[in-house]
Amino acid sequence: DSGVTQTPKHLITATGQRVTLRCSPRSGDLSVYWYQQSLDQGLQFLIQYYNGEERAKGNILERFSAQQFPDLHSELNLSSLELGDSALYFCASSARDRGYEQYFGPGTRLTVT
Amino acid sequence: DQQVKQNSPSLSVQEGRISILNCDYTNSMFDYFLWYKKYPAEGPTFLISISSIKDKNEDGRFTVFLNKSAKHLSLHIVPSQPGDSAVYFCAASAGSGGSNYKLTFGKGTLLTVNP
Repeated sequence: DSGVTQTPKHLITATGQRVTLRCSPRSGDLSVYWYQQSLDQGLQFLIQYYNGEERAKGNILERFSAQQFPDLHSELNLSSLELGDSALYFCASSARDRGYEQYFGPGTRLTVT
Repeated sequence: DQQVKQNSPSLSVQEGRISILNCDYTNSMFDYFLWYKKYPAEGPTFLISISSIKDKNEDGRFTVFLNKSAKHLSLHIVPSQPGDSAVYFCAASAGSGGSNYKLTFGKGTLLTVNP
């Protein structure tokens, strides 16, 4: 158990809908990262938050957004969902002084039908 | 443009023998490298890491070797155990000196350790 929690574990929704994925980092970790794992692309970095502020963006679609709240939990919002958004979404967290070593949650499996 | 490559999609070894997983990278700015293990339906689990200023790091049965001139790293598992059977991901980071440490992952190698 990495100490990172993600909810829900599975999500099935229809095209055009909007969903919110939630992540709670390990106790004391200030950084939260979101990654997408699809069959053909592997694990891809989406976005990073550090202590409530957006720190870095990867190949994140404009339909996707995220935020980190004062209690350090983070939410990833996916809107106008398309079939190709079906993937595993992982959250990871890291301690301030060892940002390289990221600890991953169990993931949310999103299926868009 | 795949900056981190794991050219072997799968590897099969006998229990007790050495497993060697390989990874190549192209970005000279990468300064930290990590290996993660992943079981089905679980998130990646951090295994071992190495800074670019080192060429070897050991942790129990796991050793990571880094050859900067060849832009190559490898993970050695000795002795291999059936419980090591999983997908192994190589990852790299080009730390900006601030707090941005996004990881770039390879596509993984499925290791099967046969009893």
